[in-house]
Amino acid sequence: GAVVSQHPSWVICKSGTSVKIECRSLDFQATTMFWYRQFPKQSLMLMATSNEGSKATYEQGVEKDKFLINHASLTLSTLTVTSAHPEDSSFYICSAMGPNTGELFFGEGSRLTVL
Amino acid sequence: GENVEQHPSTLSVQEGDSAVIKCTYSDSASNYFPWYKQELGKRPQLIIDIRSNVGEKKDQRIAVTLNKTAKHFSLHITETQPEDSAVYFCAAASNAGNMLTFGGGTRLMVKP
Repeated sequence: GAVVSQHPSWVICKSGTSVKIECRSLDFQATTMFWYRQFPKQSLMLMATSNEGSKATYEQGVEKDKFLINHASLTLSTLTVTSAHPEDSSFYICSAMGPNTGELFFGEGSRLTVL
Repeated sequence: GENVEQHPSTLSVQEGDSAVIKCTYSDSASNYFPWYKQELGKRPQLIIDIRSNVGEKKDQRIAVTLNKTAKHFSLHITETQPEDSAVYFCAAASNAGNMLTFGGGTRLMVKP
């Protein structure tokens, strides 16, 4: 099946620094990828829809200047958490729609801890 | 927009028993309903999905039923095993894979 790879899986950073998370579709092209945030014991909350070659669409309440999304190619979307603060600590997961059935494939997730 | 409610939030069953998780949705335009299993710290994995032109779908010990009129769908797991223990999420979308709205999740614990 289609594979979505996310990197890094773990990142610890100091408050005020920026962190970039990559999401790659390894064996298919993904014109649209999705970014989610998941707090402990909670559901996945859609942050934004990443469209190749155009600006991302952000969900209400998500700061676009805080969470920069770039989808420069059909296989790569990046999420940059700018000037990270402890409250940004969370599990971030990306997903992409598979090539055939429309099934959504998820990346492994990236656990961000901001000290 | 779509709103998906999921119940119960936690479910504990004895090994071999059945487990049922229910979800309701608000948008009548939704026509794709996947279920995901997520183990601790790992990515959600699709376990079964159903589209609105079907009322029921089964895959071995897992089945999903859909009632479009009432706008609810349910996951049924029979002969539960300890490895079924995980968090299960339902979701709804107006097109497959597009803008999924997730339920709050159900933590299933299967006691050996």
